This record gives sequence, C-alpha cells and structure tokens, in this order.
Amino acid sequence: QKEVEQNSGPLSVPEGAIASLNCTYSDRGSQSFFWYRQYSGKSPELIMSIYSNGDKEDGRFTAQLNKASQYVSLLIRDSQPSDSATYLCAVGGNAGNMLTFGGGTRLMVKP
Amino acid sequence: ETGVTQSPTHLIKTRGQQVTLRCSSQSGHNTVSWYQQALGQGPQFIFQYYREEENGRGNFPPRFSGLQFPNYSSELNVNALELDDSALYLCASRKSTGGEQYFGPGTRLTVT
Repeated sequence: QKEVEQNSGPLSVPEGAIASLNCTYSDRGSQSFFWYRQYSGKSPELIMSIYSNGDKEDGRFTAQLNKASQYVSLLIRDSQPSDSATYLCAVGGNAGNMLTFGGGTRLMVKP
Repeated sequence: ETGVTQSPTHLIKTRGQQVTLRCSSQSGHNTVSWYQQALGQGPQFIFQYYREEENGRGNFPPRFSGLQFPNYSSELNVNALELDDSALYLCASRKSTGGEQYFGPGTRLTVT
C-alpha cells in the first residue's frame, strides 16, 4: 500500500514569512512528485513538479526532494493571504501515471 | 484554467441509482484519470484511460466503470450508488509522455 503522509495543520504563518510544508512517502520506487494547491470548494491546481533530488525554484515557490529520506517539501517565500489554501502532496510512478495523494496541509497566512 | 472541463457541476442522486459524469481533456492530452475526493481528504485514484483502454485502476469496486472516446474525452459511470459515494469527482488529463496532470473543476455528487 503506497502511502503519502502530510501534517493536516493548520499551519499558520504571518504575511511575508516563509511557509514550509512537508511530505513523506512510502514507495521507494516513486519517480515523480507534485504539489497542488486547493482552495476551498475548488479543484486542485498544480503549482510545482520535481523529479530529481535537490531544489527546484519557481517564483516564490521552492520544491525540495530527498529520495534517500523519502521526503519532499514545499517552501513558500513572502507568504501572502492569497496563499491560504490546502496544499496537497502527490507522488507518482514512472511518467506520473497514477498519483497517490496525501491528505493535505491547510495553510493560513495572517495579514 | 487548465482547459479540462467536466459536467455536470453538481448532481444529487438517490441511493441505488446510476450516474454518468463527463470530462473533456485539455488540448494535446491523450490520457485521462479519474479521482474521488471525499470531504477533508486527498483525492483517491479511481482509474486511468489511455487510447480508449483502462491502463490502471485503484482500489474501487467494479460498479465504478469508465470509457474514453476517440477525441480523448471520458466518462465515469457509477452503478448502485451508495451514500459513501458522495464526493467531489475529479478528472485529470496529461500527455502520455509527460508527468504533470491537470485537473478539471470537478463534479460534486451528493447521494441521499
């Protein structure tokens, strides 16, 4: 049984701070890793993908992957109230294929 | 917006009935996956279609079935609806060679 674990939160950070979201996964054969943002009542929106160890930066977002530790994280710099949402970690096999999602972490950015 | 569309937006059904949900994939995408998201949980993989054939299935009973059409659009059919089938049903499309999956707006199904 493939598992993806996230702290459900809520994670509360002040506006302008760095938000750090974490995720662990059980399947060592996983090859693709994704972060989705989901606003209440909406569908998940892809914000980052990462496939190899290390960091990947896109604007205010940085995804970090450590396959040895089976750990993936998302950093959000200069957090804004509009970043308040549930962040879903998703793990896939070769070329994405089926995604296994964590339960999500609710992020609250306070003005 | 991703270019993935789903219909209907909302649906209310009675236990025991059957339902069909529809999805049109993003232009250039030939692979469609369906997910079920219960309230407060992450999406769960139902199945995936590529070239009109199911090529992956999650832990869902056979009363969940699907189709993919030559234009890559897809249907999810659920027979003998149960109360626990109440959820947001999400369709995601991707290129066969790419990893990123993009979700449609979802269909909210309520079973009473």
